[in-house]
Amino acid sequence: DSGVTQTPKHLITATGQRVTLRCSPRSGDLSVYWYQQSLDQGLQFLIQYYNGEERAKGNILERFSAQQFPDLHSELNLSSLELGDSALYFCASSGRTSGVSNTGELFFGEGSRLTVL
Amino acid sequence: AQKITQTQPGMFVQEKEAVTLDCTYDTSDQSYGLFWYKQPSSGEMIFLIYQGSYDEQNATEGRYSLNFQKARKSANLVISASQLGDSAMYFCAMREGISNDYKLSFGAGTTVTVRA
Repeated sequence: DSGVTQTPKHLITATGQRVTLRCSPRSGDLSVYWYQQSLDQGLQFLIQYYNGEERAKGNILERFSAQQFPDLHSELNLSSLELGDSALYFCASSGRTSGVSNTGELFFGEGSRLTVL
Repeated sequence: AQKITQTQPGMFVQEKEAVTLDCTYDTSDQSYGLFWYKQPSSGEMIFLIYQGSYDEQNATEGRYSLNFQKARKSANLVISASQLGDSAMYFCAMREGISNDYKLSFGAGTTVTVRA
């Protein structure tokens, strides 16, 4: 168990709809990252938040948006969904404030599998 | 340009044998970190091993070792004594820069199938 919680685990929706994916990071982690993994492909970085502020942006579509709340949980909003948005969406976290040095590995949730029909 | 290149889409290995997964990377940073993750068919991402750019010795974690060749910009993963449970997709990833709190860039992955 990585300590990162993602909901929902599975989601089926129709084109044109909007969905929200939720992520709770490991306790104490300040950074949250969102990645998209389409079928048989690698992980594409979407966006990173650090302590509530956007830190880095990747190949995130304008139809997608994210935010990190004061309690450090994050949401990824996907709107005007298209068939090509079907993918496994991962949230990961890192950066504990405990002061213990780490290698910077990301701790991943189990992912939210989105199917757009 | 791709930051991480994994040229082997799929590999087969006999149980109890060793397998090497190739990974090359591209960065102009002096400080960076290299990671390997395992993704079984269930989908979760499992961290396996880490190598820092300034680490002089190759990283090892149990049956996993990382063959780090800095001048060639390669970070190959070696899995020794393969087990059936090692069948999975394996991703090489890199974090650039000095901060431990930055995104990872992932390669396309290599699927490993262990045969009994």
